[in-house]
Parts: sequence; C-alpha cells; structure tokens
Amino acid sequence: AQKVTQAQTEISVVEKEDVTLDCVYETRDTTYYLFWYKQPPSGELVFLIRRNSFDEQNEISGRYSWNFQKSTSSFNFTITASQVVDSAVYFCALYSGNTGKLIFGQGTTLQVKP
Amino acid sequence: DAGITQSPRYKITETGRQVTLMCHQTWSHSYMFWYRQDLGHGLRLIYYSAAADITDKGEVPDGYVVSRSKTENFPLTLESATRSQTSVYFCASRVGGAGGLTDTQYFGPGTRLTVL
Repeated sequence: AQKVTQAQTEISVVEKEDVTLDCVYETRDTTYYLFWYKQPPSGELVFLIRRNSFDEQNEISGRYSWNFQKSTSSFNFTITASQVVDSAVYFCALYSGNTGKLIFGQGTTLQVKP
Repeated sequence: DAGITQSPRYKITETGRQVTLMCHQTWSHSYMFWYRQDLGHGLRLIYYSAAADITDKGEVPDGYVVSRSKTENFPLTLESATRSQTSVYFCASRVGGAGGLTDTQYFGPGTRLTVL
C-alpha cells in the first residue's frame, strides 16, 4: 500500500529559527516520485519540489533544503532562518506509476511567529 | 499565462441542488484531477482523467460526475448536493508520460463550496 505520514500536525517556531518538517512514505515500487507542496493561508497549493526515487542527492533552494533517504523512506524538508511568510500548511506527497495517483500526507501546519 | 483556473471560487448552495464546478487549463496537459480537501482528511482524489473522453474514479467518487469533452476543461458536477460535500475543491493537471513516469501536478486556486 502507498502511504505518506507527516507525524507533525503543527509546529510553531519563532522567526529566524530553523525548522524541519518530517515526511515518511511507504511504497513497494522501485520507481516513484516525492513532492512537497505549500498551502499558504490564501489557500492555493504551491509546488515546491519533486524528487525521483533514483536521485538521493539533497537539494537546496535558498532557505529551503530537502533530505531524501531511501534507507529510512524519508523525505524531510528544512527551512533555515524561518520567516513569517513561511507560515503555511506543508504537504508531502508520493506518486507511484503503478497506481497513477498522487498520495498526500495529512499536512504539517507551520506557524512562524515574529 | 493563465495556467489552471477554477470557477466559481466560492459557492453556496442548498441540499439537493445540482452544482457544477469548472476547471480550465491552458497548458494542454493530458491529465486532470479533482480533489477535495477537508479537515482531518487532507486531500482526497475524487476523479481523474488521462485524456479527453477518458475518466476514472479516485478515492471518493460517490455523488460526483465528471466529463472531459475537451482537453482543457474538466468540470465536476454534484448531481444532488449534500451537506457532506461541503469542502474545498481543487483541480489539478499534469503533462503525463509513458512508462509510469510523471511530471509535476499543478493545482488550481480552489473552489470553496458550502452546502446548506
């Protein structure tokens, strides 16, 4: 079965703190994709990153970084020096070619306080 | 570059009425999707379409009907709205590909539907 678990329901940090959002996935497929989306208070879903199962290189984009570890089936997301504008719900998602479906985690609500 | 749009953005209706939510994308993406987002359930797939005239059920299709006569449009119809269908509905699209590979799924702005 395909499953995505985001164990942290809500996280609250103070501005400039670093914060890591955890994502653990389950799949039996050898080829799959992992995604992170951001949903700010305005409600839209914004694509952040895509990772395929053959590429375990970590990625950094500005203050955002992603750590993909197949050995632990995790795809964690770190925000460095958080800002109030980072406050949002963040979703991790898994795509498997076998199912053709994008499976979402329950989301982590991040609140960054000034 | 309009991307993917949804209309209406907000809708209030009454139980038993028929409601159609529209989704339009300008990228000529093959795949289109409808999700609903509810507290405690995250995003759940209602229906999806791999191409014009090809649709398939997702996780929660009951009470919904879709059609796709044109690649760019994917309307979602609630034939007889119920209160349990009060939700935020997101349309999404992606390019698609062979061999189970995929491109990124992009989402519309959402439609907030309230059924009284």
